[in-house]
Amino acid sequence: AQSVSQHNHHVILSEAASLELGCNYSYGGTVNLFWYVQYPGQHLQLLLKYFSGDPLVKGIKGFEAEFIKSKFSFNLRKPSVQWSDTAEYFCAVNTMDSNYQLIWGAGTKLIIKP
Amino acid sequence: NAGVTQTPKFRILKIGQSMTLQCTQDMNHNYMYWYRQDPGMGLKLIYYSVGAGITDKGEVPNGYNVSRSTTEDFPLRLELAAPSQTSVYFCASSNQQGAADEQYFGPGTRLTVT
Repeated sequence: AQSVSQHNHHVILSEAASLELGCNYSYGGTVNLFWYVQYPGQHLQLLLKYFSGDPLVKGIKGFEAEFIKSKFSFNLRKPSVQWSDTAEYFCAVNTMDSNYQLIWGAGTKLIIKP
Repeated sequence: NAGVTQTPKFRILKIGQSMTLQCTQDMNHNYMYWYRQDPGMGLKLIYYSVGAGITDKGEVPNGYNVSRSTTEDFPLRLELAAPSQTSVYFCASSNQQGAADEQYFGPGTRLTVT
């Protein structure tokens, strides 16, 4: 069965630190990849997505993610985090075999200390 | 636009009671989804709809029912509530079920069954 793994359930960083959140998926075929974010008290919203082309994708608020097919990974990065990045981050994937339904990782709670 | 709205925000049910979670979107999206999120887990798809009058089961449909009589509304019905249905429920919508289509989420309903 297809699955998505997010390695860290909780991450605590200080402001200006660099961020990398891991995401791995299990599927050998073509995938479409997403990062969603839920800020405190707000709805889940799309941060960025990859479906083809340049494997380095840029999203909102300075986030980027790199698709590495050989590693089945789609890690989220930000060079310098801010207190306002405190949120829960979800990685998700869809495939033709999933009928393009999203398969979700368990999420990573990120806390940024001011 | 209000986007996707859900009511209620919180609810406590006794075992065996029934309730309906309401979901409405004002973006004229054809596709709508119901997810549940259990602590420490990713979102799981309960049911989805590709348009008014058409619904289909997701990964975890048991104990739930849906209907889609209009484009805007997609209520989720719990009949005979069980403790295993304690969860946070999210409704979402998208313009199409494309490979890379963004889903728009409601604020969630936190349900406790005791």
